[in-house]
Amino acid sequence: KNEVEQSPQNLTAQEGEFITINCSYSVGISALHWLQQHPGGGIVSLFMLSSGKKKHGRLIATINIQEKHSSLHITASHPRDSAVYICGSGTSGSRLTFGEGTQLTVNP
Amino acid sequence: KAGVTQTPRYLIKTRGQQVTLSCSPISGHRSVSWYQQTPGQGLQFLFEYFSETQRNKGNFPGRFSGRQFSNSRSEMNVSTLELGDSALYLCASREGPTNEKLFFGSGTQLSVL
Repeated sequence: KNEVEQSPQNLTAQEGEFITINCSYSVGISALHWLQQHPGGGIVSLFMLSSGKKKHGRLIATINIQEKHSSLHITASHPRDSAVYICGSGTSGSRLTFGEGTQLTVNP
Repeated sequence: KAGVTQTPRYLIKTRGQQVTLSCSPISGHRSVSWYQQTPGQGLQFLFEYFSETQRNKGNFPGRFSGRQFSNSRSEMNVSTLELGDSALYLCASREGPTNEKLFFGSGTQLSVL
């Protein structure tokens, strides 16, 4: 059974700080997804990666397949980055196992 | 392109009733997956359809079912509703069955009284 753990559960930062959210999973996977959920429920897929590193604007996602670990980094954080960040590990297609999420609050 | 559309946005049902939720994927997307989100269990995978065939199914009882039509629109049905079925139901679409980013709808908030 694939277990996914995220840390930290809650994170408060000041605007401009560098932020890291971690995700560990227990079984070999085909892909790792990072999602962002704002109040009101809407979910946006930030990254899908199966190896290495991806970057989009101020967001960077990395994955280490051997260590079964992924990180999401936010550089120069901004209050609009405040949201819940969820990682999901996929073993087959869209069958994902999700972490509990990290509630990020960025204060101005 | 229009995004993933889910209807209805909100739904209130009573125990024992059944409910059908609808999801229209992004045009050209043939893979649709469904997820349940609750405060206690978080996000959980329900099932995935590609070209009208169920490809994956999560660990939910048989009361939860779904289908996909030839135009890729998908429906999920929950029969004999229980209080614990109250949740946000999300669907997501992508072009194919292999690993690509998912595009999520806004969800249907189901309340079972």
